[in-house]
Amino acid sequence: NAGVMQNPRHLVRRRGQEARLRCSPMKGHSHVYWYRQLPEEGLKFMVYLQKENIIDESGMPKERFSAEFPKEGPSILRIQQVVRGDSAAYFCASSPNRDRGRGETQYFGPGTRLLVL
Amino acid sequence: AQSVTQLDSHVSVSEGTPVLLRCNYSSSYSPSLFWYVQHPNKGLQLLLKYTSAATLVKGINGFEAEFKKSETSFHLTKPSAHMSDAAEYFCVVSASGTYKYIFGTGTRLKVLA
Repeated sequence: NAGVMQNPRHLVRRRGQEARLRCSPMKGHSHVYWYRQLPEEGLKFMVYLQKENIIDESGMPKERFSAEFPKEGPSILRIQQVVRGDSAAYFCASSPNRDRGRGETQYFGPGTRLLVL
Repeated sequence: AQSVTQLDSHVSVSEGTPVLLRCNYSSSYSPSLFWYVQHPNKGLQLLLKYTSAATLVKGINGFEAEFKKSETSFHLTKPSAHMSDAAEYFCVVSASGTYKYIFGTGTRLKVLA
């Protein structure tokens, strides 16, 4: 049973470019969560999605950031017009599709390390 | 509201000696508590979790943690450290029945030969 897959593992962008981060949840999981880890800090919740629905985006910056989880394919975290402060590790997690994800253990992917030059 | 405090940002132990990583939490509701480990440039691996069953929770790789409600603590322990335990450890709290994880700032464990 493959774990949570994220790609790319490393991504380098210049200021002003777009970054697209992909996450494939574990088989049988339909809840996806994105977290951001700034250097020397813990992970911070960004957004919680189910298939075709954003459930909670309270941790997402209001501008330039968006997330989706289409009916087919991976979840995408998109950062437009990246700035140096976006440099961080972005982790995706998934949990099983029971009770809207409440209380379920989240299983994390290896992360995408974004570097903005 | 929930919060979690990891009391030590760095811990060094000698190989074969006990490990203690401290975590205190604050939660308005009955919490779920987790410990995750992150090896360099890797993802997070679940070590153990507490979800209102037994207060002493056993995890993988010989780790265990005890939920102490009176002290609002969930410290992680291991009787004998191994070199491969060197990593960053995160204590996580979520209000029981919710999905939003609140992470501590992490404790970097160093194991000396």
